[in-house]
Amino acid sequence: EAGVAQSPRYKIIEKRQSVAFWCNPISGHATLYWYQQILGQGPKLLIQFQNNGVVDDSQLPKDRFSAERLKGVDSTLKIQPAKLEDSAVYLCASSPYTGNEQFFGPGTRLTVL
Amino acid sequence: GIQVEQSPPDLILQEGANSTLRCNFSDSVNNLQWFHQNPWGQLINLFYIPSGTKQNGRLSATTVATERYSLLYISSSQTTDSGVYFCAVVTGTSYGKLTFGQGTILTVHP
Repeated sequence: EAGVAQSPRYKIIEKRQSVAFWCNPISGHATLYWYQQILGQGPKLLIQFQNNGVVDDSQLPKDRFSAERLKGVDSTLKIQPAKLEDSAVYLCASSPYTGNEQFFGPGTRLTVL
Repeated sequence: GIQVEQSPPDLILQEGANSTLRCNFSDSVNNLQWFHQNPWGQLINLFYIPSGTKQNGRLSATTVATERYSLLYISSSQTTDSGVYFCAVVTGTSYGKLTFGQGTILTVHP
């Protein structure tokens, strides 16, 4: 069974530029999560989807971050404009349903200069 | 929100030694997972263990939900066990969101 796929693996941009990350969850998983992991810390949830609906986006900085999961499968997370403090690893995870075991992708390491 | 505390923050071992990592949480949980984050940043699932005891090779885990803690045991450690170990929990009101501890950094020397 294929795992969670993410791309790109690395991205370097300058502040005020925009960037987008892509995630394809494990086949059949209804719930998809985006987490942000700052160096030296544990991951923190940004947004959670159940199929194509948002379950929790309370920690998403909506003035600059947006995410969508239009067909209930893959998802895109966008940052526009990026700030220095957005430098982090962005992890995508999926689970069969909300509350089940979550499985993580390899992450996208973002550096904002 | 729920607080998740892991101890020790750092652990240095010689190959072959055993270790115990602890995770304390401040409220009742519906789900608890242990992860190993390898040097490339990948989070690898170790255990999904809301309660009870599970074993997988040299690793085992025990969660005592009523006392709000979980333990991860690593026996006969190997250099490939090095990395960061995270405990993460889901509460009944968090819609499935994992709340992570700060992690334990494990270094195993040959």
